[in-house]
Amino acid sequence: QKEVEQNSGPLSVPEGAIASLNCTYSDRGSQSFFWYRQYSGKSPELIMSIYSNGDKEDGRFTAQLNKASQYVSLLIRDSQPSDSATYLCAVNKSNRGSTLGRLYFGRGTQLTVWP
Amino acid sequence: DTEVTQTPKHLVMGMTNKKSLKCEQHMGHRAMYWYKQKAKKPPELMFVYSYEKLSINESVPSRFSPECPNSSLLNLHLHALQPEDSALYLCASRLGGGRGTEAFFGQGTRLTVV
Repeated sequence: QKEVEQNSGPLSVPEGAIASLNCTYSDRGSQSFFWYRQYSGKSPELIMSIYSNGDKEDGRFTAQLNKASQYVSLLIRDSQPSDSATYLCAVNKSNRGSTLGRLYFGRGTQLTVWP
Repeated sequence: DTEVTQTPKHLVMGMTNKKSLKCEQHMGHRAMYWYKQKAKKPPELMFVYSYEKLSINESVPSRFSPECPNSSLLNLHLHALQPEDSALYLCASRLGGGRGTEAFFGQGTRLTVV
């Protein structure tokens, strides 16, 4: 079983719609959860972090965390063509005996927002 | 400032060459990472340095040799690479490894082995 699983898509939504991206993780000891956006040929860019159960909103982005279900999601409201990218879910897993964690990535979901 | 600087941006090397990738950050971050990313794949963890000490080696072949000369610098020494090692090499840094620390990536080095 992979550490982090994402529906790889591709996901295609019209401009102005809500895009919903999902991620599950295998290790209940995971502590921190991140969403990165990666444009083709570029490096990952951090867009959201979440550490506690519930929702966290930042502008058009909302991250949701449910530790009981080991599930993280990202909602993008009022999607724009410039949001077209690959979205990577990342999970911080503690190394045993240390607070330093491995940061594992899902395979990413490719999002296309069409005008 | 959340800048992580990687050099060079592009590198072409032969299988007998020795080269180095460099990564620098001045955010006071104490954890630094090397990732390898192939096309249409997620970043794959290679090494983690914590407080300038190697803490995680994800069974990376010895032709990749990391080095952390000080808390701001991270190098990846390359020797006798294979064409399949061609990839985007990403450096990232975090304040620490625990809860509440976000990782920031450099722009990456696009490596081509010929």
